[in-house]
Amino acid sequence: EVQLVESGGGVVQPGGSLRLSCAASGFSFSTYAMNWVRQAPGKGLEWISYISGSSVAIYYSDSVKGRFTISRDNAKNSLFLQMDSLRDDDTAVYYCARDYWNDVDWFDSWGQGTLVTVSS
Amino acid sequence: DIQMTQSPSSLSASVGDRVTITCRASQSVGTYLNWYQQQGGKAPKLLVHSSSILQSGVPSRFSGSGSGTDFSLTVSSLQPEDFATYYCQQSYSTPRTFGQGTKVELK
Repeated sequence: EVQLVESGGGVVQPGGSLRLSCAASGFSFSTYAMNWVRQAPGKGLEWISYISGSSVAIYYSDSVKGRFTISRDNAKNSLFLQMDSLRDDDTAVYYCARDYWNDVDWFDSWGQGTLVTVSS
Repeated sequence: DIQMTQSPSSLSASVGDRVTITCRASQSVGTYLNWYQQQGGKAPKLLVHSSSILQSGVPSRFSGSGSGTDFSLTVSSLQPEDFATYYCQQSYSTPRTFGQGTKVELK
């Protein structure tokens, strides 16, 4: 069974940093691309970052580019999101999502999410 | 960026009703369109990918259709567990973008 478990969320002051983790199990982690998707309180879903299985391809949304860094450790079946220069509008639940690709892709498995609150 | 617009933003329905949610893309996305369901406070769940292909384990009362810029998700007979928020998402280009969501509430 595919399992994705996020951790690392919490309360941080504006301008601060936080590192999120996503522990994967139940599938061959290195063969799948992964994504981070966030959801601000009471709002919709926002894709923010993608990393290919080999980390060769990495993409970011404009809203986090230059501030967030996605990475992965395939030996440890783990995905990370380093978040720097955090702003109030980064407050959200952050989900990791597996990218299933078959000529086109979709997010077929999601973690339960971890809440990041940016507040002074 | 491709903008995704869903309608309606919310709707009220009863158990057993047939419900249709529409999603419009700001430019053609072919059939690179996916639908997700999010039940209160939980993680999203994939329902339909590639516009019309039901994800394994999803009940057959759900169906998706469309291509180009206009898509729809239909629930043929609403069940109590279907009261949730639904999102469309395009995977034609990066950044991947979602619709704003459609909340299906009990009438």
